[in-house]
Amino acid sequence: GNSVTQMEGPVTLSEEAFLTINCTYTATGYPSLFWYVQYPGEGLQLLLKATKADDKGSNKGFEATYRKETTSFHLEKGSVQVSDSAVYFCALRDNFNKFYFGSGTKLNVKP
Amino acid sequence: NAGVTQTPKFQVLKTGQSMTLQCAQDMNHNSMYWYRQDPGMGLRLIYYSASEGTTDKGEVPNGYNVSRLNKREFSLRLESAAPSQTSVYFCASIKFKGSANEKLFFGSGTQLSVL
Repeated sequence: GNSVTQMEGPVTLSEEAFLTINCTYTATGYPSLFWYVQYPGEGLQLLLKATKADDKGSNKGFEATYRKETTSFHLEKGSVQVSDSAVYFCALRDNFNKFYFGSGTKLNVKP
Repeated sequence: NAGVTQTPKFQVLKTGQSMTLQCAQDMNHNSMYWYRQDPGMGLRLIYYSASEGTTDKGEVPNGYNVSRLNKREFSLRLESAAPSQTSVYFCASIKFKGSANEKLFFGSGTQLSVL
């Protein structure tokens, strides 16, 4: 079946540090891949997406590249800010338009 | 536009009680979803409605029923609540008309405790 696996948190970084959150997936067909972010007390918001292999999604300094050969979609940011503290979810959409989410990775950024 | 609206925001039930979680979207979206969020397990799909009049089971449908009342509304019912259903519930919707717009919109969640 379809599934998403992402690194467990929490991840604690100092401001301006480099961020990587790993995500791998299992899916049949040709899924689209997403990163969503959740701030405390809120629902999830789309951060970035990639719809086919080798596509790079980017938004607000975050980037992720759809790697079909390694079935991965790792999230990166060159310099994190305190305001980036949140929970990040990797997700895929299958050919039947169902979305599957990873378990979430909590990011804490310290000043 | 309000987006995706869920009610109630908080609810406490006793084991065996029933309740319905309401969800409505005003964006003319075709597909709607119900997820539950549990610590360490992320979001798990309970039920899915591709379009008005259709529903499909997700990963964890047991103990739940859904109704796609019309294009706007998608309700989730717990017939006999159990402590294992204590969770945060999220409704979501998306357009899906073969367009490149694949943004899933989420409600703000319902925190449910079953004692």
